[in-house]
Amino acid sequence: DADVTQTPRNRITKTGKRIMLECSQTKGHDRMYWYRQDPGLGLRLIYYSFDVKDINKGEISDGYSVSRQAQAKFSLSLESAIPNQTALYFCATSDSGGTPYFGPGTRLTVT
Amino acid sequence: DQQVKQNSPSLSVQEGRISILNCDYTNSMFDYFLWYKKYPAEGPTFLISISSIKDKNEDGRFTVFLNKSAKHLSLHIVPSQPGDSAVYFCAASGGAGNQFYFGTGTSLTVIP
Repeated sequence: DADVTQTPRNRITKTGKRIMLECSQTKGHDRMYWYRQDPGLGLRLIYYSFDVKDINKGEISDGYSVSRQAQAKFSLSLESAIPNQTALYFCATSDSGGTPYFGPGTRLTVT
Repeated sequence: DQQVKQNSPSLSVQEGRISILNCDYTNSMFDYFLWYKKYPAEGPTFLISISSIKDKNEDGRFTVFLNKSAKHLSLHIVPSQPGDSAVYFCAASGGAGNQFYFGTGTSLTVIP
């Protein structure tokens, strides 16, 4: 079984819809992250959480919100999706100060 | 501003030769550096790391070099194999928050 899972793997939605992307991990890591990947822009940090009660904005948090439901679960929400949020979204986990391990990604298309 | 830069979007190398991927950073507080490999439709996979107390780290065919004065790191793959064809990202962290900042990636093609 994969250590970091993401659901859904692919999603097409319309402008204005609310979308939630979910991430679960079995690595026992405290830290969880959400990144998006765009062509030519690499991976950019959206939000990160160092434990269940700690949520922090990353480089590009506008238009997104997150929830850390448990140590193992970290979800990303787009309250009102817009086309420029079309991207690959990756969840990652790490222990304190350690190397992030990534999930397989969610391809989101907003039409 | 991009704090971690990979100025070569793509690189082609013959099988068996050396691949050299480069990465520059601007933040002098960065003290931990990573390289990831990414295949299409998969998440990035950790490859090798280096901390600022070292200038070289080796793992099999992969070696990372760090030049702190130049704020530059490079990944050497020797010998290159067709299965190494992927996008390679460098990443850096350090200072407050310990966020990881990623470069834009270099697409490596190893030609058989």
